[in-house]
Amino acid sequence: KNQVEQSPQSLIILEGKNCTLQCNYTVSPFSNLRWYKQDTGRGPVSLTIMTFSENTKSNGRYTATLDADTKQSSLHITASQLSDSASYICVVSDRGSTLGRLYFGRGTQLTVWP
Amino acid sequence: EADIYQTPRYLVIGTGKKITLECSQTMGHDKMYWYQQDPGMELHLIHYSYGVNSTEKGDLSSESTVSRIRTEHFPLTLESARPSHTSQYLCASSEPGDSLPSYEQYFGPGTRLTVT
Repeated sequence: KNQVEQSPQSLIILEGKNCTLQCNYTVSPFSNLRWYKQDTGRGPVSLTIMTFSENTKSNGRYTATLDADTKQSSLHITASQLSDSASYICVVSDRGSTLGRLYFGRGTQLTVWP
Repeated sequence: EADIYQTPRYLVIGTGKKITLECSQTMGHDKMYWYQQDPGMELHLIHYSYGVNSTEKGDLSSESTVSRIRTEHFPLTLESARPSHTSQYLCASSEPGDSLPSYEQYFGPGTRLTVT
């Protein structure tokens, strides 16, 4: 069964600190993995997208890593800001259909305190 | 910010009413999608479309229906709303083709539906 599991479920950090969010998946055949940021009451916005051959991808203070062998990914946020408070969703796409079906994790709810 | 819009943003309606959630995009994308999301839960695909006059049901069974008469519009309709339909509904679109960039889905802001 294709699944995407994220940890932790929620996380509270102080402004300026770094944090790392985890994603494990069982989706096969694998096509790509993306991290989305979803602010409360808004739609998800793409942060990074990685294919099988990519190990790391950065977008400003966000750095995603991918280990396709162990089927794990992480999202590292450096020097956190209050505006980073949001849900971070790991999404994996399979290669088995032209639809590019997406499998969503439940997200990690990050709260940044001043 | 993607050019994909949803209206209304919030809707509170009584049981039994017919409602239509609007979704429009100005990017010329062929593929469009409707997702349902409950608080703290993952997004579930309920409908998708490959293009005009194409509609398919997604992974999650839904009593809603969709139509795709124009490329830019993908409205979702509930003929008789029930409290179990209370949820957030997200519309998305993606570019045509099989290349990687075409798998990038752009999401609208969502409609928060409450049925009393």
